[in-house]
Amino acid sequence: QKEVEQDPGPLSVPEGAIVSLNCTYSNSAFQYFMWYRQYSRKGPELLMYTYSSGNKEDGRFTAQVDKSSKYISLFIRDSQPSDSATYLCAVRANTNAGKSTFGDGTTLTVKP
Amino acid sequence: EAEVAQSPRYKITEKSQAVAFWCDPISGHATLYWYRQILGQGPELLVQFQDESVVDDSQLPKDRFSAERLKGVDSTLKIQPAELGDSAMYLCASSFELGPRETQYFGPGTRLLVL
Repeated sequence: QKEVEQDPGPLSVPEGAIVSLNCTYSNSAFQYFMWYRQYSRKGPELLMYTYSSGNKEDGRFTAQVDKSSKYISLFIRDSQPSDSATYLCAVRANTNAGKSTFGDGTTLTVKP
Repeated sequence: EAEVAQSPRYKITEKSQAVAFWCDPISGHATLYWYRQILGQGPELLVQFQDESVVDDSQLPKDRFSAERLKGVDSTLKIQPAELGDSAMYLCASSFELGPRETQYFGPGTRLLVL
């Protein structure tokens, strides 16, 4: 079993829709949670970083963490065609080692 | 804005040949990572450097892969001999300092195709 499982997608939504992207993780040692966006043929870029359970908002993006159920989500409001990309969740343990474990990504297409 | 540089962007090679990838991290970033991303999967850590020292290479197939960061700045990842299963995107990332709130910045990657 993988340490991080991500809803596989692909996901196709009309412009303006609310998008929900989800991951589960298995190890309670993971304390830091990230969402990356990866455009086709590019490297991942960090979108959101959270530590505690609860919600963190940044513009149209909201990251949600539920440590009790080991569930993390990314919500995108008012989705735009420019949001079309692969979204990767990642987790990291509370150490200085730096190693992040990634989900396999969900590919999102926002249609105009 | 400073970026992680990687070259080449694309590489096609035949199996059993040697290939090498180069990464130049953001200036001042002490930590450097090499990841492999197979199509449809998330990045998987191959090796982590802190300055010129290897911190974690537990997932590096050492019979064919090697990585170095001799002066603690740029880095080279080598595969010899390449196998068909090595076809993937090889990503380099760097960060300023380790710690719980570390931010890793990724380069554009090198896409390798082994024929």
